Amino acid sequence: QAVVTQEPSLTVSPGGTVTLTCSSNTGGVTSGHYPFWFQQKPGQAPRTLIYDASNTHSWTPARFSGSLVGGKAALTLSGAQPEDEAEYYCLLSYSGVRVFGGGTKLTVL
Amino acid sequence: EVQLVESGGGLVKPGGSLRLSCEASGFTFYNYNMNWVRQAPGKGLEWVSFISSSSSYIYYADSLKGRFTISRDNARNSLYLQMNSLRVEDTAVYYCASWGSISDFWGQGTLVTVSS
Repeated sequence: QAVVTQEPSLTVSPGGTVTLTCSSNTGGVTSGHYPFWFQQKPGQAPRTLIYDASNTHSWTPARFSGSLVGGKAALTLSGAQPEDEAEYYCLLSYSGVRVFGGGTKLTVL
Repeated sequence: EVQLVESGGGLVKPGGSLRLSCEASGFTFYNYNMNWVRQAPGKGLEWVSFISSSSSYIYYADSLKGRFTISRDNARNSLYLQMNSLRVEDTAVYYCASWGSISDFWGQGTLVTVSS
């Protein structure tokens, strides 16, 4: 089974910018992996922030954006807020089989 | 209001079986692909299985090695996960969920504990 890798933890200052990345051990991440990004706060179910690499939902704060950069999927947070402190997971699809990354614990400090 | 309500979790001995259910309401269930996702205590998310809206496509995580079976009954607005040969490492909260360009539905999860 493919392995999806994320940074275990990152710290960003309030108002700052941070980029989380998502890579695959099978090669570069492409649009064909249909990358998703989820946010999970303690005690809550996850929620989708980004789908298909760069598309946002109506509830996705405008400060979040997704992209494909350098063979990785990326989630960029511009103008971090205290409420953005959470765990972030990427999800890639491999011909129907989905694999989550290990998650990135984002601290806003 | 969209709701996904899981049930069927509990304590089971290693080698035992459980059947999880997920009852959907507030949306046209038969139009949506569904997933099971699990999360071991204090750990990350692990995708378990996917079933398309009409059950035409079914996928499983490689690690499950044929022990789990996903199914759905669109007439009952319900999703199921039959889990056999359970192991201690299957202990987790199991979520039913649907995500995509038009959906982001998650249940509250049901806890499965595998212990002797």
